[in-house]
Amino acid sequence: QKEVEQDPGPLSVPEGAIVSLNCTYSNSAFQYFMWYRQYSRKGPELLMYTYSSGNKEDGRFTAQVDKSSKYISLFIRDSQPSDSATYLCAPRDSNYQLIWGAGTKLIIKP
Amino acid sequence: DTAVSQTPKYLVTQMGNDKSIKCEQNLGHDTMYWYKQDSKKFLKIMFSYNNKELIINETVPNRFSPKSPDKAHLNLHINSLELGDSAVYFCASSHGYNEQFFGPGTRLTVL
Repeated sequence: QKEVEQDPGPLSVPEGAIVSLNCTYSNSAFQYFMWYRQYSRKGPELLMYTYSSGNKEDGRFTAQVDKSSKYISLFIRDSQPSDSATYLCAPRDSNYQLIWGAGTKLIIKP
Repeated sequence: DTAVSQTPKYLVTQMGNDKSIKCEQNLGHDTMYWYKQDSKKFLKIMFSYNNKELIINETVPNRFSPKSPDKAHLNLHINSLELGDSAVYFCASSHGYNEQFFGPGTRLTVL
């Protein structure tokens, strides 16, 4: 079992829809949880991060962590074609290394 | 532009060759990384390095070696290339263990 599991998709939704992207993880010691966005043929870029359990909102994006179930979510409201990318969750371990999920490819149809 | 840059962007070579990929960051960061992203888009850390410590992922073959001439550069040397080395290699940098900034990637194809 991988430390971080993420459905690779692709997930295809119409423009304006609410998108839910999810990860599960196995290591209960993880405290910081990152979401990176990767456009095709580009390097990943940090979208947002959360510490421990709870929600964090940034514009149309909300990150949510449920440590009791080891479940991480990223919600995108009013999705736009420019949101089409691969979204990678990456908890940080006790050695400060990021443990990457495989990424979910998201396609927003105009 | 402040950024992480890598050269070359594309690299096509024969099995058995030795090649290098260069990485430079002008962000003033003290920690740099090399990642391998395979065909399934899975990112795997290969090395992390700052001026104090090199951390090597134990699964990385010793044919791969990072070389840092200074804090702004971390190059990746690969000896005796194999078919399985074909992937996209990303360099990244950070200030301490904060947000990592990634380069555009080097697409390596071994024939």
